[in-house]
Amino acid sequence: QSALTQPASVSGSPGQSITISCTGTSSDVGGYDYVSWYQQHPGKAPKLMIYDVTNRPSGVSNRFSGSKSGNTASLTISGLQAEDEADYYCSAYSSRSTLFGGGTKLTVL
Amino acid sequence: EVQLVESGGGLVKPGGSLRLSCVASGFTFDTYSMNWVRQAPGKGLEWVSSISSSSSYIYYADSLKGRFTISRDNAKNSLYLQMNSLRAEDTAVYYCTRAEWLLRASDSWGLGTLVSVSS
Repeated sequence: QSALTQPASVSGSPGQSITISCTGTSSDVGGYDYVSWYQQHPGKAPKLMIYDVTNRPSGVSNRFSGSKSGNTASLTISGLQAEDEADYYCSAYSSRSTLFGGGTKLTVL
Repeated sequence: EVQLVESGGGLVKPGGSLRLSCVASGFTFDTYSMNWVRQAPGKGLEWVSSISSSSSYIYYADSLKGRFTISRDNAKNSLYLQMNSLRAEDTAVYYCTRAEWLLRASDSWGLGTLVSVSS
């Protein structure tokens, strides 16, 4: 049950797009289309932003999108806004467990 | 509105035990899988355990080494986590989460309850 690999930090200016990667193995990210992404603001509970690689829950802005290629999943945020500044975590299904990435701190410059 | 309210956290000495509870409302509890996810201070999210809607399937993180037990009471809309032989590294906020499918995305999270293990 090894953690998924995410960059520790990314940054971007308002209006720009950024992408956060999440690398696993063929036993988790690459093996199933069950990758999800969570946003967490300081002191708050995480919020589901993307599920099953590409799907957005009701109420989540369409500026958030997900994709996957091989063992790496990605979260893209377009038209960056100040409110997007937060920690982002990927998660993936792995037979008999759920894995999380170490988290990525997004800074909006 | 979906609500998940955790309770039972607190300060406990190493080697001690705690039982966390999560009361659910706003949805049909017995049709969802449930999870516990924890977050140590200043650290990332860590999956702890999952239980299917009817308790038929239960999974734990390997790191727990049999110290924790997840359970649910569908008649009481409640999820539980019995934690034994607690260690300093178990110090974390423990979140109760809901998932439509076992081991997949958590679409609702509680506010969490803090467990502190210290002498």
